[in-house]
Amino acid sequence: QKEVEQDPGPLSVPEGAIVSLNCTYSNSAFQYFMWYRQYSRKGPELLMYTYSSGNKEDGRFTAQVDKSSKYISLFIRDSQPSDSATYLCARNAGNKLTFGGGTRVLVKP
Amino acid sequence: DAGITQSPRHKVTETGTPVTLRCHQTENHRYMYWYRQDPGHGLRLIHYSYGVKDTDKGEVSDGYSVSRSKTEDFLLTLESATSSQTSVYFCAISGVQGDEQYFGPGTRLTVT
Repeated sequence: QKEVEQDPGPLSVPEGAIVSLNCTYSNSAFQYFMWYRQYSRKGPELLMYTYSSGNKEDGRFTAQVDKSSKYISLFIRDSQPSDSATYLCARNAGNKLTFGGGTRVLVKP
Repeated sequence: DAGITQSPRHKVTETGTPVTLRCHQTENHRYMYWYRQDPGHGLRLIHYSYGVKDTDKGEVSDGYSVSRSKTEDFLLTLESATSSQTSVYFCAISGVQGDEQYFGPGTRLTVT
């Protein structure tokens, strides 16, 4: 079992819809969780990070962690075509990141 | 790209030749990392550094070595390149809080 797992997608939504992305993880050690966005042929861009259970909001983005279920989520409200990218979740334990494989998202105008 | 540059950005080399990739940061951060990204495997940590001359192995370190003689530079060397090392290589640095990592633009390496 991989330490961090993501559905590869692609996930296709109409513009304005809510994008819902999920990851599961297997290690229970104290750790941070991060979401990155990666456009084609670019480096990953940090969107959000959190270490506690519950929700964290930043503009149109909400990150959610459920440590009891080992489940992390990212929601994107009012999605735009510019949100079309691959979204990577990662756990950070001791300054080392373990990534999921990424979910490709396509927001159609 | 958070003050991170990588060079070269693209390279084609032959099997068996040594290759060195450079990561340069202007943020004066302590931690620097090298990752590779491959379809089906995602991003995987190769090596990282927690200070000048202080380095450690990551998940996929075989066939790679690193050096850090200055805070701002972190070098990744493929001692004898193989076709399995064809990949996109990303450098990252730790953020202000020491836990966020910011990535460079990547180096696309092809080993023929």
